[in-house]
Amino acid sequence: NAGVIQTPRHKVTGKGQEATLWCEPISGHSAVFWYRQTIVQGLEFLTYFRNQAPIDDSGMPKERFSAQMPNQSHSTLKIQSTQPQDSAVYLCASSLGRRGNQAPLFGEGTRLSVL
Amino acid sequence: GDQVEQSPSALSLHEGTGSALRCNFTTTMRAVQWFRKNSRGSLINLFYLASGTKENGRLKSAFDSKERYSTLHIRDAQLEDSGTYFCAAASSGSWQLIFGSGTQLTVMP
Repeated sequence: NAGVIQTPRHKVTGKGQEATLWCEPISGHSAVFWYRQTIVQGLEFLTYFRNQAPIDDSGMPKERFSAQMPNQSHSTLKIQSTQPQDSAVYLCASSLGRRGNQAPLFGEGTRLSVL
Repeated sequence: GDQVEQSPSALSLHEGTGSALRCNFTTTMRAVQWFRKNSRGSLINLFYLASGTKENGRLKSAFDSKERYSTLHIRDAQLEDSGTYFCAAASSGSWQLIFGSGTQLTVMP
């Protein structure tokens, strides 16, 4: 089991460009989460899918950010018109579901740098 | 072995009372984060600490990197506090979060 796979590992964009981040959850996991990590804020929840359906996007910035899960094998996080403050490590995690005390398993993240 | 040991695994409190959750670390951690799983299954950040203590309402958290532990104190517990709480920590030189096994908190009338 390769774990949660995120690509690319590093992405550098210019201000105003679009960035698309990819996540492949662990096979069989029905819950997929996106988080953003910065030194200042720590880990911030962005959005959550269960069985590919969006369940909770309360952490997503209202503008420029969108997430999709078109099939059970991958999810994407898209940031339009990137800004320097979007620079962060974006983490994807998956778990078996919301029953019990299952903690999500995290991918290694995508480090986004907006110049 | 497990680097983050969270206790207790389950906790029952009566409304208005309080208690503490604890995470012990087997190695030096540079930061700790406490989460609560909400009713939709999302992990919501409660506290992020690199050292010291933070307080928010009826919750207070402390982190001692040298002594290798963190605590989450809940006072005047309310029914809506029920849920699963996780601690997670990042070891020095890494941003990877290592999660504790969770505490299932039940607040009773």
